[in-house]
Amino acid sequence: DGGITQSPKYLFRKEGQNVTLSCEQNLNHDAMYWYRQDPGQGLRLIYYSQIVNDFQKGDIAEGYSVSREKKESFPLTVTSAQKNPTAFYLCASSTSGQGETQYFGPGTRLLVL
Amino acid sequence: GEDVEQSLFLSVREGDSSVINCTYTDSSSTYLYWYKQEPGAGLQLLTYIFSNMDMKQDQRLTVLLNKKDKHLSLRIADTQTGDSAIYFCADAVNEKLTFGTGTRLTIIP
Repeated sequence: DGGITQSPKYLFRKEGQNVTLSCEQNLNHDAMYWYRQDPGQGLRLIYYSQIVNDFQKGDIAEGYSVSREKKESFPLTVTSAQKNPTAFYLCASSTSGQGETQYFGPGTRLLVL
Repeated sequence: GEDVEQSLFLSVREGDSSVINCTYTDSSSTYLYWYKQEPGAGLQLLTYIFSNMDMKQDQRLTVLLNKKDKHLSLRIADTQTGDSAIYFCADAVNEKLTFGTGTRLTIIP
């Protein structure tokens, strides 16, 4: 089955801890994205990558970091600098740069203990 | 920057048509999208329309685009209980996708 997978489905973070959210796609898409979703708000772009070994900040990159070492994978690290990390995190991919149709994974819900 | 707005809630009786509206501010949008999100899930692409089109129909879904007023709508015919979800519009401007806040559609039996 082709698609986008995210793991884990739920993740708990302790104060001062870094956590990493996984996103993998087997659609052979060049571009990948991370969004944050808060209740009653639209999706906000955290980081995106149009090609391997390259990525750009989105609208709310502070407190987050990413890497793109493989075409299939785009992990997101929520660092201790992110003071309000509780949210639903969505990963997406598309065939080329932003503006091409984006396909989404099932999401990871991050909760702070 | 680009701003995309939607009403937060819509209630419709089962079997009626649902119309979800969206307005945007940037006239250079290339594509406009409708996504559906069920509880606890990711976003599912429903349909999209190219900015030089006025209308697109796909089974029960009809998308209308009024480029002059920067208004986009999604009509769902014969609304069913399975249509209960949050619906997001999004537009693509300068290779960036901007999402609305989402409209929660509730179906009344």
